[in-house]
Amino acid sequence: GAVVSQHPSRVICKSGTSVKIECRSLDFQATTMFWYRQFPKQSLMLMATSNEGSKATYEQGVEKDKFLINHASLTLSTLTVTSAHPEDSSFYICSARVYRGGEQYFGPGTRLTVT
Amino acid sequence: QKEVEQDPGPLSVPEGAIVSLNCTYSNSAFQYFMWYRQYSRKGPELLMYTYSSGNKEDGRFTAQVDKSSKYISLFIRDSQPSDSATYLCAMSSGSGNTGKLIFGQGTTLQVKP
Repeated sequence: GAVVSQHPSRVICKSGTSVKIECRSLDFQATTMFWYRQFPKQSLMLMATSNEGSKATYEQGVEKDKFLINHASLTLSTLTVTSAHPEDSSFYICSARVYRGGEQYFGPGTRLTVT
Repeated sequence: QKEVEQDPGPLSVPEGAIVSLNCTYSNSAFQYFMWYRQYSRKGPELLMYTYSSGNKEDGRFTAQVDKSSKYISLFIRDSQPSDSATYLCAMSSGSGNTGKLIFGQGTTLQVKP
């Protein structure tokens, strides 16, 4: 149990286009989902926290108009990178949990390359 | 000073060795503690989850939490080459606006056959 999926696993897009990444909790209902990005050989950097039906809470320095997050249901959250630029190229990982303080389960990640 | 400190390694051990991974933290409000294993280009996998102080064992893995010393450990017995990965400690107070996890920098482990 406790499986989180992400789609797509890899995406290449051109500069200026938008990309949507989906995160799904497959066998549990996630009241909260998190979005991270990770650069090579570095730890996870939290971008934003989303609760189902509420606006996402963004970490300091993360542009909310560039990284749009929608948590439409208890099993689905999406991250849209708008007007992508090469510096947005990174590994994006989502996670989900049932309750505050509970276990947090991660998806397999999405590698975004902007050319 | 970072809230969570973890030696990045790398740590290299022979197959079959006992591995000890550690994190220290400064926030006494932390009460939920997790260890994750991350292989290259993959998402982190939850290995151990512990609430408050104490020990927890699962197969070859043992997690220890000492809240009085603000110190947590993960022990891996009979280490295997397949254990070669980056190990991340993470913790949360469970309170605040999001109850988000605070991660250590990760320790890279290599188990040599």
